[in-house]
Amino acid sequence: SQTIHQWPATLVQPVGSPLSLECTVEGTSNPNLYWYRQAAGRGLQLLFYSVGIGQISSEVPQNLSASRPQDRQFILSSKKLLLSDSGFYLCAWNLGENTGELFFGEGSRLTVL
Amino acid sequence: AQTVTQSQPEMSVQEAETVTLSCTYDTSESDYYLFWYKQPPSRQMILVIRQEAYKQQNATENRFSVNFQKAAKSFSLKISDSQLGDAAMYFCAYRSRIGGSGSRLTFGEGTQLTVNP
Repeated sequence: SQTIHQWPATLVQPVGSPLSLECTVEGTSNPNLYWYRQAAGRGLQLLFYSVGIGQISSEVPQNLSASRPQDRQFILSSKKLLLSDSGFYLCAWNLGENTGELFFGEGSRLTVL
Repeated sequence: AQTVTQSQPEMSVQEAETVTLSCTYDTSESDYYLFWYKQPPSRQMILVIRQEAYKQQNATENRFSVNFQKAAKSFSLKISDSQLGDAAMYFCAYRSRIGGSGSRLTFGEGTQLTVNP
């Protein structure tokens, strides 16, 4: 069966520090991968998605970046965090030809101080 | 671009009663998917129910059912016999059936459901 994991689960970082959140999918090949951000009490905002290795599409311009070095690995990064980067980050995956739903990781809570 | 609107930021229901959460969407496409996701306090997003636009029959999953009105672009979720474990944030989501471009989902802002004992 397919599983998705992301880490770390919780992160407290000072303003200006770098960020790396990692997401890994197991049990499937060539998934579409997504990074969403959820501000407190709000909906989900799509940040990046990827349909293959090295292919990244950005939905919202900001100081975050994403990379996909391997088929089932998706990384969210920043060189210098801002206070506004605080939030709950969710990684998700699906397959292009399946029933369309997204499968989500457990989430990573980032607090920038 | 597609948009999803949930006009009820908060709802409450008594245990064992029925509650309906509203969702409307805007699209020019004729074939798509609609979903309801549940996010409990643990923050894990869980799929509750899905509907394919070409199917006229409303989807049902145990105590959860939808009222899909394609012409009105409305997709409401009915929870019957509400349980304390149903308390969560509920998100309505849309996905185009057209492949490519990541097949991403567009989410509404969510409805926080409280279940009162």
